[in-house]
Order: sequence, then structure tokens, then C-alpha cells
Amino acid sequence: DAGVTQSPTHLIKTRGQQVTLRCSPKSGHDTVSWYQQALGQGPQFIFQYYEEEERQRGNFPDRFSGHQFPNYSSELNVNALLLGDSALYLCASSLRGDTQYFGPGTRLTVL
Amino acid sequence: AQTVTQSQPEMSVQEAETVTLSCTYDTSENNYYLFWYKQPPSRQMILVIRQEAYKQQNATENRFSVNFQKAAKSFSLKISDSQLGDTAMYFCAFMEASGTYKYIFGTGTRLKVLA
Repeated sequence: DAGVTQSPTHLIKTRGQQVTLRCSPKSGHDTVSWYQQALGQGPQFIFQYYEEEERQRGNFPDRFSGHQFPNYSSELNVNALLLGDSALYLCASSLRGDTQYFGPGTRLTVL
Repeated sequence: AQTVTQSQPEMSVQEAETVTLSCTYDTSENNYYLFWYKQPPSRQMILVIRQEAYKQQNATENRFSVNFQKAAKSFSLKISDSQLGDTAMYFCAFMEASGTYKYIFGTGTRLKVLA
């Protein structure tokens, strides 16, 4: 049984560019949450998708957007990248928002 | 707003010994969940243990157990018979049971198990 998967593993972008990160949830899960983890910090909640809609959103600007597909997979898009967006981006899946299981993350570096 | 505090940035323990990691939280909610996650250098966040606030019994998973003190808003993790593979960052997390579905994490404790 595959767990949560994320792609790509690493990504390097320059300021002002746009990036798309992808997540496939654990089998049987219908909810996907995204977190940003800066170096040496705990993860910060970005948003959560359930039934293809954004259900909850953390304190992140509109440059951060997402999408959930009918197969429950999800994308995180970040526009107009800033140096401060460099972080590990974690995806977590759950069944209707219960206990969350995390993927291995995507390391984004903005130069 | 809820907050989670982990006051021990780093800890070390000898192999086979016992160590306790501290976590306190602040909330006005009565129903919620608490979690401990482990993040080894591989970066993958792994669930260690889960506690439901309405359950008075402390959760246990093999060598891992918690001391949940609801009135004190304290949720510590005890690791018994520490193993080298326990070396990792440990994060405490809080989630309301009534609809927000988002985790609030502490800043983590870096645990090193010494041979």
C-alpha cells in the first residue's frame, strides 16, 4: 500500500518564477493538507483540500494556491516566488481531516 | 489562537536509556487531538503517537508513551529503551476536534541517541 507521494523531490527556481508541486494521497484518503517548513522550524499550515474545494487556509498570501483533483491528488502553486519561499513543502493526507500522514516533502530553493 | 510550545531545542540520551520530551499547549477548546511526530534526516514526518483529549488513559505505542495532563495542558513523550534509530527531530502537534482540521506544530526538539 503506497503512502503519500510527492514530486519533485527537489526544485530550484529564481525569484519571480512560478512553481507547481504535486501530491498523491495515501490509498483511501480523501483530504490533502499542505505545510511549509522553513529550516529549523515546525511546519506551518498553508491550506487543506476536501471534495475538490479549499476547506481551510492558514496565514499565507494569495500567491499560494492549490487544487484537488477527482482522484484526490493535489497541487500546490506558488506565483511570483520570493527568496523567503525557500523551504520544505510537506503534503499530508487523511480521511476527512483525521490523523494526517505525511509525504517525504519537496525541497524548494529560490535563488 | 492555539499555540504549541516545545521548550527543549536539543536533548541527548544514551542508548537503552529513557528520555522524556516536553510539550505544552494553549487552547480554550475542550475536544482536541494531540500528536507526536518524528522527522529523521530523511525529512519524512512519521506519526509516533496520537492522543484524544476526551480519553483520560495515556496513549502507548511499544516503546513510546505519553503523559497527558489536560488541566495543565501538558503532553510529554517518553521514549523507553532508546535506540540509535530514534535520533530525529520530534514535533508535538495540536488539532481541534471541531472542524478546523489543521495541525499546529511546536518548534521541535532535536533528539540524539548516543552509542
